[in-house]
Amino acid sequence: GAVVSQHPSWVICKSGTSVKIECRSLDFQATTMFWYRQFPKQSLMLMATSNEGSKATYEQGVEKDKFLINHASLTLSTLTVTSAHPEDSSFYICSARSGRGTEAFFGQGTRLTVV
Amino acid sequence: DAKTTQPPSMDCAEGRAANLPCNHSTISGNEYVYWYRQIHSQGPQYIIHGLKNNETNEMASLIITEDRKSSTLILPHATLRDTAVYYCIVSPSGNTPLVFGKGTRLSVIA
Repeated sequence: GAVVSQHPSWVICKSGTSVKIECRSLDFQATTMFWYRQFPKQSLMLMATSNEGSKATYEQGVEKDKFLINHASLTLSTLTVTSAHPEDSSFYICSARSGRGTEAFFGQGTRLTVV
Repeated sequence: DAKTTQPPSMDCAEGRAANLPCNHSTISGNEYVYWYRQIHSQGPQYIIHGLKNNETNEMASLIITEDRKSSTLILPHATLRDTAVYYCIVSPSGNTPLVFGKGTRLSVIA
Protein backbone atom coordinates (compact mmCIF):
# COMPACT_ATOMS: atom_id res chain seq x y z
CA GLY A 1 0.00 0.00 0.00
CA ALA A 2 0.91 3.66 -0.25
CA VAL A 3 3.23 5.05 2.39
CA VAL A 4 3.17 8.35 4.22
CA SER A 5 6.27 9.19 6.23
CA GLN A 6 6.40 11.75 9.00
CA HIS A 7 9.48 13.27 10.63
CA PRO A 8 10.48 13.63 13.38
CA SER A 9 8.78 10.96 15.47
CA TRP A 10 9.20 13.01 18.58
CA VAL A 11 10.58 16.40 19.51
CA ILE A 12 11.10 18.34 22.71
CA CYS A 13 11.42 22.10 22.44
CA LYS A 14 11.58 25.08 24.71
CA SER A 15 8.62 27.37 25.11
CA GLY A 16 8.72 30.20 22.57
CA THR A 17 10.62 28.32 19.88
CA SER A 18 9.26 26.97 16.59
CA VAL A 19 9.12 23.38 15.45
CA LYS A 20 8.74 22.04 11.91
CA ILE A 21 7.15 18.67 11.16
CA GLU A 22 7.50 17.09 7.72
CA CYS A 23 5.03 14.80 5.99
CA ARG A 24 6.03 12.99 2.81
CA SER A 25 4.11 10.73 0.47
CA LEU A 26 6.76 8.21 -0.55
CA ASP A 27 5.27 6.43 -3.55
CA PHE A 28 2.44 8.64 -4.75
CA GLN A 29 1.69 12.26 -5.40
CA ALA A 30 -0.64 13.99 -2.99
CA THR A 31 -2.23 17.25 -4.06
CA THR A 32 -3.93 17.34 -0.68
CA MET A 33 -2.68 16.35 2.75
CA PHE A 34 -4.42 16.60 6.08
CA TRP A 35 -3.05 17.51 9.51
CA TYR A 36 -4.55 16.18 12.72
CA ARG A 37 -3.85 16.71 16.41
CA GLN A 38 -4.52 14.23 19.15
CA PHE A 39 -4.47 14.94 22.88
CA PRO A 40 -4.10 12.13 25.42
CA LYS A 41 -7.07 9.79 25.61
CA GLN A 42 -8.87 11.70 22.86
CA SER A 43 -9.57 11.04 19.20
CA LEU A 44 -7.88 12.64 16.22
CA MET A 45 -9.05 16.17 15.49
CA LEU A 46 -8.63 17.62 12.01
CA MET A 47 -6.61 20.83 12.11
CA ALA A 48 -6.18 21.79 8.48
CA THR A 49 -6.16 20.71 4.88
CA SER A 50 -2.93 21.32 3.02
CA ASN A 51 -3.23 22.06 -0.70
CA GLU A 52 -0.27 21.88 -3.05
CA GLY A 53 0.50 25.27 -4.49
CA SER A 54 -2.16 27.15 -2.56
CA LYS A 55 -3.08 28.23 0.93
CA ALA A 56 -4.13 25.71 3.51
CA THR A 57 -7.65 25.70 4.87
CA TYR A 58 -7.99 25.57 8.63
CA GLU A 59 -10.70 24.14 10.83
CA GLN A 60 -12.61 26.43 13.12
CA GLY A 61 -10.62 27.34 16.20
CA VAL A 62 -7.20 26.51 14.72
CA GLU A 63 -4.91 29.56 14.51
CA LYS A 64 -3.45 29.79 11.04
CA ASP A 65 -0.71 32.14 12.18
CA LYS A 66 0.41 29.70 14.82
CA PHE A 67 0.26 26.54 12.75
CA LEU A 68 1.92 27.37 9.47
CA ILE A 69 1.40 24.88 6.68
CA ASN A 70 3.44 24.74 3.50
CA HIS A 71 2.73 22.29 0.67
CA ALA A 72 5.38 23.21 -1.84
CA SER A 73 5.49 19.95 -3.77
CA LEU A 74 3.26 17.00 -4.54
CA THR A 75 5.10 14.83 -2.05
CA LEU A 76 5.84 17.14 0.88
CA SER A 77 3.78 19.12 3.34
CA THR A 78 5.19 20.79 6.44
CA LEU A 79 3.54 21.97 9.63
CA THR A 80 5.39 24.57 11.67
CA VAL A 81 4.26 25.23 15.21
CA THR A 82 5.38 28.78 15.86
CA SER A 83 6.15 30.20 19.30
CA ALA A 84 5.25 26.90 20.87
CA HIS A 85 3.76 26.81 24.36
CA PRO A 86 3.21 23.88 26.70
CA GLU A 87 -0.47 23.69 25.69
CA ASP A 88 0.69 22.90 22.13
CA SER A 89 2.16 19.65 23.41
CA SER A 90 0.30 16.95 21.52
CA PHE A 91 0.53 14.14 18.98
CA TYR A 92 0.46 15.54 15.44
CA ILE A 93 -0.45 13.25 12.54
CA CYS A 94 -0.56 13.80 8.80
CA SER A 95 -2.56 11.95 6.20
CA ALA A 96 -3.00 11.74 2.45
CA ARG A 97 -5.20 9.90 0.02
CA SER A 98 -3.38 8.48 -2.98
CA GLY A 99 -6.17 8.77 -5.47
CA ARG A 100 -5.46 5.25 -6.72
CA GLY A 101 -7.73 3.75 -4.14
CA THR A 102 -10.16 5.33 -1.75
CA GLU A 103 -8.41 4.79 1.55
CA ALA A 104 -6.30 7.38 3.37
CA PHE A 105 -2.81 6.71 4.64
CA PHE A 106 -1.37 8.15 7.81
CA GLY A 107 2.08 9.08 8.98
CA GLN A 108 3.60 7.61 12.11
CA GLY A 109 2.80 10.76 14.06
CA THR A 110 5.02 13.29 15.84
CA ARG A 111 4.97 13.62 19.62
CA LEU A 112 5.64 17.28 20.47
CA THR A 113 6.53 18.21 24.02
CA VAL A 114 7.00 21.88 24.84
CA VAL A 115 8.84 22.58 28.08
CA ASP B 1 -18.96 15.67 13.88
CA ALA B 2 -18.47 11.94 13.45
CA LYS B 3 -21.38 10.19 11.75
CA THR B 4 -20.83 6.87 13.44
CA THR B 5 -21.61 5.35 16.83
CA GLN B 6 -19.42 2.68 18.38
CA PRO B 7 -19.27 1.10 21.84
CA PRO B 8 -16.50 2.72 23.88
CA SER B 9 -14.81 -0.53 24.80
CA MET B 10 -14.86 -4.29 24.24
CA ASP B 11 -12.91 -7.29 25.49
CA CYS B 12 -12.05 -10.37 23.48
CA ALA B 13 -10.27 -13.58 24.42
CA GLU B 14 -7.10 -14.33 22.51
CA GLY B 15 -7.77 -16.68 19.59
CA ARG B 16 -11.46 -15.89 19.44
CA ALA B 17 -13.19 -13.74 16.85
CA ALA B 18 -13.60 -10.09 17.70
CA ASN B 19 -16.80 -8.54 16.34
CA LEU B 20 -16.83 -4.75 16.47
CA PRO B 21 -20.16 -3.06 15.67
CA CYS B 22 -20.73 0.36 14.18
CA ASN B 23 -23.91 2.31 13.54
CA HIS B 24 -24.03 4.80 10.68
CA SER B 25 -27.72 5.38 10.14
CA THR B 26 -27.25 8.68 8.25
CA ILE B 27 -24.78 7.32 5.70
CA SER B 28 -25.15 8.77 2.20
CA GLY B 29 -25.21 6.78 -1.01
CA ASN B 30 -21.73 7.86 -2.06
CA GLU B 31 -20.08 7.25 1.31
CA TYR B 32 -17.86 4.30 2.05
CA VAL B 33 -17.43 2.61 5.41
CA TYR B 34 -13.79 2.65 6.51
CA TRP B 35 -12.15 0.93 9.45
CA TYR B 36 -8.86 2.01 10.95
CA ARG B 37 -7.10 1.11 14.15
CA GLN B 38 -4.63 2.98 16.28
CA ILE B 39 -2.13 1.32 18.52
CA HIS B 40 -0.82 3.54 21.30
CA SER B 41 1.40 6.38 20.09
CA GLN B 42 1.21 5.41 16.43
CA GLY B 43 -0.63 6.80 13.44
CA PRO B 44 -3.90 5.12 12.40
CA GLN B 45 -3.54 1.93 10.37
CA TYR B 46 -5.93 1.15 7.52
CA ILE B 47 -7.81 -2.12 7.94
CA ILE B 48 -10.57 -2.40 5.37
CA HIS B 49 -13.32 -0.47 3.62
CA GLY B 50 -16.51 -1.17 1.70
CA LEU B 51 -19.44 0.45 -0.02
CA LYS B 52 -22.29 -2.07 -0.15
CA ASN B 53 -20.86 -5.54 -0.36
CA ASN B 54 -19.13 -7.48 2.36
CA GLU B 55 -15.36 -7.36 2.09
CA THR B 56 -12.52 -9.55 3.30
CA ASN B 57 -8.77 -9.11 3.30
CA GLU B 58 -5.83 -10.60 5.14
CA MET B 59 -6.58 -8.58 8.25
CA ALA B 60 -10.33 -8.65 8.68
CA SER B 61 -13.82 -9.00 7.26
CA LEU B 62 -16.35 -6.22 6.94
CA ILE B 63 -20.05 -7.02 7.04
CA ILE B 64 -22.37 -4.21 5.92
CA THR B 65 -26.12 -4.54 6.43
CA GLU B 66 -28.33 -4.37 3.38
CA ASP B 67 -29.71 -0.96 4.36
CA ARG B 68 -26.08 0.18 5.00
CA LYS B 69 -27.06 1.67 8.34
CA SER B 70 -24.66 -0.47 10.30
CA SER B 71 -21.61 -2.64 9.88
CA THR B 72 -19.42 -5.09 11.78
CA LEU B 73 -15.68 -5.50 11.63
CA ILE B 74 -14.58 -9.06 12.29
CA LEU B 75 -11.08 -10.02 13.36
CA PRO B 76 -11.29 -13.80 12.94
CA HIS B 77 -8.60 -14.85 15.42
CA ALA B 78 -7.70 -11.99 17.72
CA THR B 79 -4.16 -11.80 19.10
CA LEU B 80 -2.70 -9.64 21.83
CA ARG B 81 -1.26 -7.39 19.13
CA ASP B 82 -4.78 -6.54 17.99
CA THR B 83 -5.31 -4.55 21.19
CA ALA B 84 -5.98 -1.02 19.90
CA VAL B 85 -8.62 1.64 19.36
CA TYR B 86 -10.74 0.81 16.33
CA TYR B 87 -12.37 3.60 14.37
CA CYS B 88 -15.35 3.22 12.04
CA ILE B 89 -15.60 6.15 9.62
CA VAL B 90 -18.00 6.97 6.80
CA SER B 91 -16.67 9.18 4.05
CA PRO B 92 -16.89 9.68 0.33
CA SER B 93 -13.90 8.72 -1.77
CA GLY B 94 -11.66 11.44 -3.12
CA ASN B 95 -9.67 14.17 -1.42
CA THR B 96 -11.75 14.71 1.67
CA PRO B 97 -10.43 14.26 5.20
CA LEU B 98 -11.56 11.40 7.38
CA VAL B 99 -13.46 12.53 10.46
CA PHE B 100 -12.74 10.41 13.51
CA GLY B 101 -15.18 9.61 16.28
CA LYS B 102 -14.21 8.17 19.63
CA GLY B 103 -13.79 4.61 18.41
CA THR B 104 -13.88 1.34 20.32
CA ARG B 105 -11.03 0.36 22.58
CA LEU B 106 -10.55 -3.38 22.02
CA SER B 107 -8.64 -5.27 24.65
CA VAL B 108 -7.52 -8.77 23.70
CA ILE B 109 -7.02 -10.85 26.81
CA ALA B 110 -4.78 -13.89 27.11
